[in-house]
Amino acid sequence: QVQVVESGGGVVQPGRSLRLSCAASGFTFSNYGMHWVRQAPGKGLEWVAVIWFDGSNEYYADAVKGRFTISRDNSKSTLYLQMNSLRAEDTAVYYCAREEYRYGYHFDHWGQGTLVTVSS
Amino acid sequence: QSALTQPPSVSGSPGQSVTISCTGTSSDVGSYNRVSWYQQPPGTAPKVMIYEVSHRPSGVPDRFSGSKSGNTASLTISGLQAEDEADYYCNSYTSSSTYVFGTGTKVTVL
Repeated sequence: QVQVVESGGGVVQPGRSLRLSCAASGFTFSNYGMHWVRQAPGKGLEWVAVIWFDGSNEYYADAVKGRFTISRDNSKSTLYLQMNSLRAEDTAVYYCAREEYRYGYHFDHWGQGTLVTVSS
Repeated sequence: QSALTQPPSVSGSPGQSVTISCTGTSSDVGSYNRVSWYQQPPGTAPKVMIYEVSHRPSGVPDRFSGSKSGNTASLTISGLQAEDEADYYCNSYTSSSTYVFGTGTKVTVL
């Protein structure tokens, strides 16, 4: 069955870096665009970034542009989010999500999320 | 990239209907049919309920329906049930090739 599993979260000091991973299984990873979405404690969902199926294009939310980099390794079926210059407001649960396209565009499979806490 | 505007909360008794609005701009909701809705019970990952404005994934009850007029999309839950109590978020593709979520709506079943 389709699964995406995030890892790499933890506590990090402001200004430092962290890399999240999302391991995919149960589908042909290289056929799908993939997203990162985050949710601060007690707050709503916030879209973070997308990378196309072949890695040829990436787009970011203004709040993370220039600090975060989304990437993928299709040979390992893994999605990444490199987060630099972290700020307190980046504290959130980070979800990876697959974008379905064959039957209408939407985020059809989500991971359980990984918590990133930015604090001194 | 301002969040789409949703009412903070809506409520209804079992069996009633509730409608959640999602207001964007001509750069997102108004220009694309890539509008989807997600249900998120507390402590869980979001689940898609409606995609491309009005399409229901298999397994989603037909009590859930979606529509769009101009810059505003809507999700209607007919025949409200206790298990529908959750947070709901809309999402839209934008003219910048990015995506944006709504501010979220808490649905309470009285």
